[in-house]
Amino acid sequence: DAKTTQPPSMDCAEGRAANLPCNHSTISGNEYVYWYRQIHSQGPQYIIHGLKNNETNEMASLIITEDRKSSTLILPHATLRDTAVYYCIVRGFNAGNNRKLIWGLGTSLAVNP
Amino acid sequence: DVKVTQSSRYLVKRTGEKVFLECVQDMDHENMFWYRQDPGLGLRLIYFSYDVKMKEKGDIPEGYSVSREKKERFSLILESASTNQTSMYLCASSFPQLNTEAFFGQGTRLTVV
Repeated sequence: DAKTTQPPSMDCAEGRAANLPCNHSTISGNEYVYWYRQIHSQGPQYIIHGLKNNETNEMASLIITEDRKSSTLILPHATLRDTAVYYCIVRGFNAGNNRKLIWGLGTSLAVNP
Repeated sequence: DVKVTQSSRYLVKRTGEKVFLECVQDMDHENMFWYRQDPGLGLRLIYFSYDVKMKEKGDIPEGYSVSREKKERFSLILESASTNQTSMYLCASSFPQLNTEAFFGQGTRLTVV
């Protein structure tokens, strides 16, 4: 599975857009990009995922570059409740690994009033 | 709503005790996972199961075993608890397809004294 690189921490003002980058330069053609977040002392929560096209749901938007080597998670109007650790994960079919998610350390996002 | 329920939120056990952590999901998911999460190390996979009675070792299986007798239940067993097993334990479940997300329980914070 491809590895991901994320900045360890970011700040964002409440009400502004939060743009969280992720580098996955070794991603292969059948691997999906997933985003999860973990609010303190809770289990991770799924946000969004995509393969090639940009995706949007009620929580966020996911922008994947054309070469698929990086992506950006966008929280359009960040609130204090969006303060969490955000994980970018690549998941693909690799014998023995197709069922697993490989987790990095994520980005700790602080939304400030 | 999908639910992954872990039997305990907080647990304190003594060194040498046999410890059972239970996880139940209600979405008929084939895949179930046990992770532990430690500061600075992220989520590390202990074991996963892709069907009843089927299991595979993850990245850190030493000192742990698992049991999956029914599809909805996945148990993590610490045969003889040690202080280095003090951690947050997270259970997750998912369908096997690549294009599906994992759902997590709320976590069990285990302290071994």
